Amino acid sequence: NAGVTQTPKFRVLKTGQSMTLLCAQDMNHEYMYWYRQDPGMGLRLIHYSVGEGTTAKGEVPDGYNVSRLKKQNFLLGLESAAPSQTSVYFCASSYPGGQGYDTQYFGPGTRLTVL
Amino acid sequence: GDSVTQMEGPVTLSEEAFLTINCTYTATGYPSLFWYVQYPGEGLQLLLKATKADDKGSNKGFEATYRKETTSFHLEKGSVQVSDSAVYFCALSDQGGSYIPTFGRGTSLIVHP
Repeated sequence: NAGVTQTPKFRVLKTGQSMTLLCAQDMNHEYMYWYRQDPGMGLRLIHYSVGEGTTAKGEVPDGYNVSRLKKQNFLLGLESAAPSQTSVYFCASSYPGGQGYDTQYFGPGTRLTVL
Repeated sequence: GDSVTQMEGPVTLSEEAFLTINCTYTATGYPSLFWYVQYPGEGLQLLLKATKADDKGSNKGFEATYRKETTSFHLEKGSVQVSDSAVYFCALSDQGGSYIPTFGRGTSLIVHP
């Protein structure tokens, strides 16, 4: 049981390049999320998905696109990278439901630098 | 909308000192409350949680009590260790709504030997 995994762990891009971050979970969770973490800003939600084939915008969606073609995978795309997208990106997954069932399980993160 | 406010850091303590990290929240319903911990270079992981008023969550010597009357969920530990050095995030999840969580900005804890 690997939990939540993220690929790649590190990446350096030049301005204008594109890339896709892959998140995979093996816990059969319905909900998946992409966050970015910047110094002094805490975690900010980029996009999320409440089930296979669905996606929704979070707090900071501009410049990113996502897809959830399979329940276990959630992809985050940067079509034209900008230096402002330099950050650490975290994927998370959870069950929907109260009583603490909606505990979030996080991946180890991807450190992205855009030059 | 929902919001979480936690004390700014860094909090710097000596080993075996008492720890309190304050967290207050605003929510329209009856949220679940969480503390997550992030060790250097890692993702967040659940530390403890509470799902209704007066519940106490506890784990690894840390405790937090769900106080509905003061809308608070303060994290405490009686005797911190160097290995507790990390960033701590308070969070809530609306049980009657979307279950999309709201996180505080995080509080860095540094424990010196």
